[in-house]
Amino acid sequence: NAGVTQTPKFRVLKTGQSMTLLCAQDMNHEYMYWYRQDPGMGLRLIHYSVGEGTTAKGEVPDGYNVSRLKKQNFLLGLESAAPSQTSVYFCASWRPPGEQFFGPGTRLTVL
Amino acid sequence: AQKVTQAQTEISVVEKEDVTLDCVYETRDTTYYLFWYKQPPSGELVFLIRRNSFDEQNEISGRYSWNFQKSTSSFNFTITASQVVDSAVYFCALSDSSGAGSYQLTFGKGTKLSVIP
Repeated sequence: NAGVTQTPKFRVLKTGQSMTLLCAQDMNHEYMYWYRQDPGMGLRLIHYSVGEGTTAKGEVPDGYNVSRLKKQNFLLGLESAAPSQTSVYFCASWRPPGEQFFGPGTRLTVL
Repeated sequence: AQKVTQAQTEISVVEKEDVTLDCVYETRDTTYYLFWYKQPPSGELVFLIRRNSFDEQNEISGRYSWNFQKSTSSFNFTITASQVVDSAVYFCALSDSSGAGSYQLTFGKGTKLSVIP
């Protein structure tokens, strides 16, 4: 079991560029989440999915889009990156009531 | 709306001291889950414990213990005989059904613990 994996681990973008972050889990979990972590802010929920083909907005969804075409994958897209999106992004998957598993994180810098 | 407050931003203790990290939460749901995670300097998030709202029994795991009190909406974490390896940021988190079964996880802002040798 690989658990939750994230691709890429690091990325530097220029303002206005686009990119997609990939999250994959092999635990057959229904629930998947994207968070961002900024200094002093803890983790904040961007978008989440309660099953294949479904997505919903979290606390800070602006500037991001997501898709869950396959149960095991949850993609986070930035259409036009901004410096305010410089952050560490964590993906997680969960089958309640167990443990919520986190990926290793993606460090994104937008110049 | 759910909310988690970790009032202690940073704590420093000398090795072998005991330390308690506070967590206070707010939720309207009667069914919810509480979590603690550890984030060491390497950056990954390490699961420590999950507690559901119907289980108020305190738990001990080695040097770690957790005190869950629904009456005060608190879920505090104590490290006994702290070690340098305990230095990390600790997050408390809450998940409830939010009326739509989404189980959104809300994190506190974290407490940075520094254990000084």
